[in-house]
Amino acid sequence: NAGVTQTPKFQVLKTGQSMTLQCAQDMNHEYMSWYRQDPGMGLRLIHYSVGAGITDQGEVPNGYNVSRSTTEDFPLRLLSAAPSQTSVYFCASTPGVGDSHNEQFFGPGTRLTVL
Amino acid sequence: GESVGLHLPTLSVQEGDNSIINCAYSNSASDYFIWYKQESGKGPQFIIDIRSNMDKRQGQRVTVLLNKTVKHLSLQIAATQPGDSAVYFCAETYGLTGGGNKLTFGTGTQLKVEL
Repeated sequence: NAGVTQTPKFQVLKTGQSMTLQCAQDMNHEYMSWYRQDPGMGLRLIHYSVGAGITDQGEVPNGYNVSRSTTEDFPLRLLSAAPSQTSVYFCASTPGVGDSHNEQFFGPGTRLTVL
Repeated sequence: GESVGLHLPTLSVQEGDNSIINCAYSNSASDYFIWYKQESGKGPQFIIDIRSNMDKRQGQRVTVLLNKTVKHLSLQIAATQPGDSAVYFCAETYGLTGGGNKLTFGTGTQLKVEL
C-alpha cells in the first residue's frame, strides 16, 4: 500500500489564485481529514469527512472547500488564495472501525506559499 | 504584518536516559488521547493512544499516563535514542461514534537527544 499520498509537495501561488491540493489513500479508510500546520504550532483541522459524500467543517474552514466523491480521494480547494494561507497542509485518513480505528495516518504534506 | 510563530518548548536528554514529555489538555469531554511524533519535513506519526477510562498504557519503549483530575497527559520514552529526536504532539478527540475523528492538537515539544 502507498498509504496516504499528497500532491503537489510544494506550491507557490499569487494572491487571488485558486488551486486544489490532492489527497488519496489506498487503505479503504472511511475517515479523511485536512489539517494545516503553521510554524512552531500544532495542526489545526480544516475539514473532515466520515465517508464518501459526507464532509464537515473543522476548526479553520474559511477559504477552503472539500468534496468526497470516492472513498479514496479527498481534495482540498483554495478558492482565492491569501498570504494567511501560507502553511504546510497535511491530509490524514483513519480506519474508523476495528482495533486501530482511532489511528490517523498522515500524508507527507504540501508546503504552500502565497505571495 | 507577518505573524511570528511560537517557540516550541524543548526537552534535551542524554542518549540512554528516559524522557518525559508533558501535555495539558482542555476538554474534559475528550475520550481519546493520542501522541504523535513528527520528524522534520514529515507528517505526524502515530505513537500510542489511550482511552479516557484508562490511566496508563504501555507500548514498545513508550508509556502514556493520563490524569483526568488535572487534565494532564504524559509520554515516557525509555532509553531515549538519537532517532527519537523530533517534535512530539499530544492530541485529544471526542465523539467518535458517527462524528468522525476530529483531533485537537497541542503546540508540541521538541525532543533533542544528545550523544
